[in-house]
Amino acid sequence: RKEVEQDPGPFNVPEGATVAFNCTYSNSASQSFFWYRQDCRKEPKLLMSVYSSGNEDGRFTAQLNRASQYISLLIRDSKLSDSATYLCVVPYNTDKLIFGTGTRLQVFP
Amino acid sequence: DAGVTQSPTHLIKTRGQQVTLRCSPKSGHDTVSWYQQALGQGPQFIFQYYEEEERQRGNFPDRFSGHQFPNYSSELNVNALLLGDSALYLCASSVAFDGPWGYTFGSGTRLTVV
Repeated sequence: RKEVEQDPGPFNVPEGATVAFNCTYSNSASQSFFWYRQDCRKEPKLLMSVYSSGNEDGRFTAQLNRASQYISLLIRDSKLSDSATYLCVVPYNTDKLIFGTGTRLQVFP
Repeated sequence: DAGVTQSPTHLIKTRGQQVTLRCSPKSGHDTVSWYQQALGQGPQFIFQYYEEEERQRGNFPDRFSGHQFPNYSSELNVNALLLGDSALYLCASSVAFDGPWGYTFGSGTRLTVV
């Protein structure tokens, strides 16, 4: 089993739609988790972190299910500017980041 | 406040050659990590440097080596380049023992091996 697994997509959604991305991880000892956003040919940037059951920031909600070793990212009211690749990230030994392959989102008018 | 600076931004090399990539960390950061991102993949951890020593290493061959200087800047060296080494190489800086929340990534060096 891969350390971090994501559905690569792409997800093609219209503006205003709600979209959810899923991620599973194998290290049951992990305590914190991240979602990063990466625009085409750019560096990854931290979008959200989640430590307990969930975290909400505006249109973005990250949820964690430790029993199932599952993380999700929900984007409500999608904007054209949300088009990017979303990377699920699990820290290992507090210093090394393990990235999923990323889920590509394309929001169309 | 300068963020993480990487150079060069793009590079084309021939199989078998050697390459050196450079990274200057964000001001106040003392730890540098290097990642390789192949097309369509997530970044893969290569290694991390702290106090001028390699602190952790991922599953990369010895052809990949690095160095950290007293001013915390770092270099990534790759010898005997293979076509499969073509990727975006990302440098991330952080503060040691602060955990992963403070990671800052540079914009990367895009290496093409022909």
